[in-house]
Amino acid sequence: AQSVAQPEDQVNVAEGNPLTVKCTYSVSGNPYLFWYVQYPNRGLQFLLKYITGDNLVKGSYGFEAEFNKSQTSFHLKKPSALVSDSALYFCAVSGGGADGLTFGKGTHLIIQP
Amino acid sequence: GAVVSQHPSRVICKSGTSVKIECRSLDFQATTMFWYRQFPKQSLMLMATSNEGSKATYEQGVEKDKFLINHASLTLSTLTVTSAHPEDSSFYICSTLLSTDTQYFGPGTRLTVL
Repeated sequence: AQSVAQPEDQVNVAEGNPLTVKCTYSVSGNPYLFWYVQYPNRGLQFLLKYITGDNLVKGSYGFEAEFNKSQTSFHLKKPSALVSDSALYFCAVSGGGADGLTFGKGTHLIIQP
Repeated sequence: GAVVSQHPSRVICKSGTSVKIECRSLDFQATTMFWYRQFPKQSLMLMATSNEGSKATYEQGVEKDKFLINHASLTLSTLTVTSAHPEDSSFYICSTLLSTDTQYFGPGTRLTVL
């Protein structure tokens, strides 16, 4: 069975500072890793994914994530946070193809002006 | 722009009634769609995988007779919550596979059962 852990319920960052939202995963085989963002009462918006290739992947809105196979991690990062980045962030994993996603519990990111 | 739409966005019904939620892929054909459920302040849980022209595949613990899924065309999947009860109140979200491995999500449907 596959699983995703997001150890932080909430992350607080001052505007302009770098941010990191942590994610670790467990899956048999090669992982397909994703980050999504959810705004209140809305569906999820795709940010980025890692399937294969370069361990550092770049996505929407200036976000990036680094795949670390030895640590089974896929942390989300951004060099300079914006207040508008405040939202609920989900890390997810699948076995690829037409597999459904297994989500982490989500991390509230709060960017303070 | 949006690639997946859901209707209705919000529905309130009485206990014992059935509710149908539609999920449409916009501007592309979706052989596979997924249905997820999200409880307040919690994560999304995969309910079932909807395959066009065949029966849906349900996750363990999801009652297939209660949550009826129909994927009759390449652009439409429906989820019907039958004989709804207050514990079925939740946020239901569908997704489609736009590429071979990336899911794009609809805006969700808030179901409240009184």
